Amino acid sequence: KQEVTQIPAALSVPEGENLVLNCSFTDSAIYNLQWFRQDPGKGLTSLLLIQSSQREQTSGRLNASLDKSSGRSTLYIAASQPGDSATYLCAVRRGSGGGADGLTFGKGTHLIIQP
Amino acid sequence: NAGVMQNPRHLVRRRGQEARLRCSPMKGHSHVYWYRQLPEEGLKFMVYLQKENIIDESGMPKERFSAEFPKEGPSILRIQQVVRGDSAAYFCASSSAAGFYEQYFGPGTRLTVT
Repeated sequence: KQEVTQIPAALSVPEGENLVLNCSFTDSAIYNLQWFRQDPGKGLTSLLLIQSSQREQTSGRLNASLDKSSGRSTLYIAASQPGDSATYLCAVRRGSGGGADGLTFGKGTHLIIQP
Repeated sequence: NAGVMQNPRHLVRRRGQEARLRCSPMKGHSHVYWYRQLPEEGLKFMVYLQKENIIDESGMPKERFSAEFPKEGPSILRIQQVVRGDSAAYFCASSSAAGFYEQYFGPGTRLTVT
């Protein structure tokens, strides 16, 4: 059974700092890994999608890496801003076949950027 | 191209009533997924459907919950005889195909059971 763990569960840093969020998963048989952002009471905003054959993806100040063999991904946020405050979710898409195609989510990292 | 649409956005039901949640996938998408986010818990996969077929319902509670994706119209998640523990945010996602293709999420339906 796939399990996804995100560390830390919460993080509070001053504005302007670079930071790293971590995600680990137990079963390396995945199609892809996706990072999402969720604001309180809101839906999910997709940030980055990394296919299993890729090593990293970049979008603006965000960079996500994937090491499939070790079951790890990191989300790097450069020059953090107060508007980055949200919960960040990591999810993997199962590649075990047999019809299984849902995403398995971590519990998220609650990020606060202090002005 | 409109995104994934869910309605209602907020739904209040009394214990014992039925809740019907609707999801219209993105245009051209034939794969639909339902997820539930309980308070203080992570998002959990519930069910994966293609048109007229349930492909994977391994995350669906065995009783009171059902899902369908008819040939015409939106996907429906139905919860019969709701209890307070069903209060949660229910998200729908759609994809153009299985496997490597991205899942796109709707805004969610927040169900409150009183």
